[in-house]
Amino acid sequence: NAGVTQTPKFQVLKTGQSMTLQCAQDMNHEYMSWYRQDPGMGLRLIHYSVGAGITDQGEVPNGYNVSRSTTEDFPLRLLSAAPSQTSVYFCASSYAHHTEAFFGQGTRLTVV
Amino acid sequence: AQKITQTQPGMFVQEKEAVTLDCTYDTSDQSYGLFWYKQPSSGEMIFLIYQGSYDEQNATEGRYSLNFQKARKSANLVISASQLGDSAMYFCAMRDPRVAQGGSEKLVFGKGTKLTVNP
Repeated sequence: NAGVTQTPKFQVLKTGQSMTLQCAQDMNHEYMSWYRQDPGMGLRLIHYSVGAGITDQGEVPNGYNVSRSTTEDFPLRLLSAAPSQTSVYFCASSYAHHTEAFFGQGTRLTVV
Repeated sequence: AQKITQTQPGMFVQEKEAVTLDCTYDTSDQSYGLFWYKQPSSGEMIFLIYQGSYDEQNATEGRYSLNFQKARKSANLVISASQLGDSAMYFCAMRDPRVAQGGSEKLVFGKGTKLTVNP
């Protein structure tokens, strides 16, 4: 029972590089999202999706792209990494809006 | 905008005692959901408890209970009989009610409370 799987767990990027954070869930959840967590702050929503082919922006979307071609996968793309994107990234999924969100283990990203 | 406020950056409790972690929220909507998550030092986010705005009874899950006072817009987490393993960050979160009818994954989080359980 894998739940929500994020890869990689750790990543170091140079400023200007691009990369994709992977997120996959095997619970057939329609709702998926990406959050970032910075020191002293709670999680802030980057992008979310309510189903395959449907995505929308959250609170801090700048510098990130998403797509949802399948129910299972929801990758997050950093177009041109900046030091301000150094953070811990969480992917989450849920069955419905009134049910709990299941989180991945997180990806610790450092941009130098 | 919806907002979650957790006023206690840190809390200390003796093992086996009960502790209350405060959470207040701000919303103009009548339908919303409130969640509590635990984040141990290992970093994962663990769901603890959920309270719907129309639920008449306070939610309980084992040693966790939610003291829901709708008129005061508060949703405090009560942990009974604290254990050393309860030491962690605790986050209160609210489902963004603006899209509740359509369904979404938009959780608004507070900044968290760091709980330390002393032996």
